[in-house]
Amino acid sequence: EAGVVQSPRYKIIEKKQPVAFWCNPISGHNTLYWYLQNLGQGPELLIRYENEEAVDDSQLPKDRFSAERLKGVDSTLKIQPAELGDSAVYLCASSPTRNYNEQFFGPGTRLTVL
Amino acid sequence: SQQGEEDPQALSIQEGENATMNCSYKTSINNLQWYRQNSGRGLVHLILIRSNEREKHSGRLRVTLDTSKKSSSLLITASRAADTASYFCATLGNKLVFGAGTILRVKS
Repeated sequence: EAGVVQSPRYKIIEKKQPVAFWCNPISGHNTLYWYLQNLGQGPELLIRYENEEAVDDSQLPKDRFSAERLKGVDSTLKIQPAELGDSAVYLCASSPTRNYNEQFFGPGTRLTVL
Repeated sequence: SQQGEEDPQALSIQEGENATMNCSYKTSINNLQWYRQNSGRGLVHLILIRSNEREKHSGRLRVTLDTSKKSSSLLITASRAADTASYFCATLGNKLVFGAGTILRVKS
């Protein structure tokens, strides 16, 4: 069974540039999550989708971050404009259940903002 | 903000020894989960223990939960070099909140 796929794996951009991350969840998983992980820390939830509906986006900095999950499958997370402090690993996860249990994580996208 | 706090921050043991990691949290929870993260396999779910459970086993893993003390422990028995990773506890209230993790190094 294919796992959660994320691309790109690495991204280096100049500050104030836009950047987008893509995630393809495990087939059949209706719940999708985006997390941010800073070095030496655990992941922090940015947004959770149930199918195409964002059911928890309270932690998403909406002035510069946006996300979408069209058709309830793939998802894209965008930052515009990027700031130096956005350098981190962005993780996507999916689960077959609605309540945060047993999430399957992708390999992440490591973003470096110069 | 992160609710769970793991202790110790780092742990180094010899292969074959047992490793114990602790997690403390602040508010009431529905369940507590442990995850492992290494460069090879990313972040992987290990075990989930519900708030009404006190102990759970999965292979070489043993998890305990004490809701009165708001703490959990993860025991890895007969450790192997492949267990070298960061271990995170994550507490579920209205969402899943991860701690900062314990870095485990198993020396062969």
